[in-house]
Amino acid sequence: AQSVAQPEDQVNVAEGNPLTVKCTYSVSGNPYLFWYVQYPNRGLQFLLKYITGDNLVKGSYGFEAEFNKSQTSFHLKKPSALVSDSALYFCAVIFNTDKLIFGTGTRLQVFP
Amino acid sequence: GAVVSQHPSRVICKSGTSVKIECRSLDFQATTMFWYRQFPKQSLMLMATSNEGSKATYEQGVEKDKFLINHASLTLSTLTVTSAHPEDSSFYICSAGWGTGNTIYFGEGSWLTVV
Repeated sequence: AQSVAQPEDQVNVAEGNPLTVKCTYSVSGNPYLFWYVQYPNRGLQFLLKYITGDNLVKGSYGFEAEFNKSQTSFHLKKPSALVSDSALYFCAVIFNTDKLIFGTGTRLQVFP
Repeated sequence: GAVVSQHPSRVICKSGTSVKIECRSLDFQATTMFWYRQFPKQSLMLMATSNEGSKATYEQGVEKDKFLINHASLTLSTLTVTSAHPEDSSFYICSAGWGTGNTIYFGEGSWLTVV
């Protein structure tokens, strides 16, 4: 079955430190992978996606993610966290056309 | 970038009434739109796929007679919650894209409160 897992409900990091939000997937064939961010009471904002090509994908607000086929992972990273990065992050995979399957979300808390 | 607009952002309705939420793609044509529901502190649950000019495809467990979806044009899909009950209170989000592999954009969401 197609699925996406975000093993951490919450990630805490100090401002200025690097951050990683984990995502693993289970999809037959070649996956299309996405990261979205959700601020309180708001819709989802697109951060980045992997379709094909370079395994390291750079996105909005200084975020990047690395597609690792052998580990079936697509972890979101940022070299230096900001307090304003605190939000809910969703990993998602496309399953059959534009039907997105979401992970359970990871709440990122960046402390000053 | 592409923009998806939802309206209203917040709505309160009485039990037993119906409420309509609109989802518009503002600068592209979307043959397919998707409706999600999100409970507090939970992930998004896909409710249905809205197909322009044809019937929506509902996910298992979603009542199609309760959540009416209409996709009358390439830029507009509507979700109507009929005979609303307090348990229908939730955050509803739509999304749209224009082809597999292209970025899928989300609306800002609509908070529905049924009293």
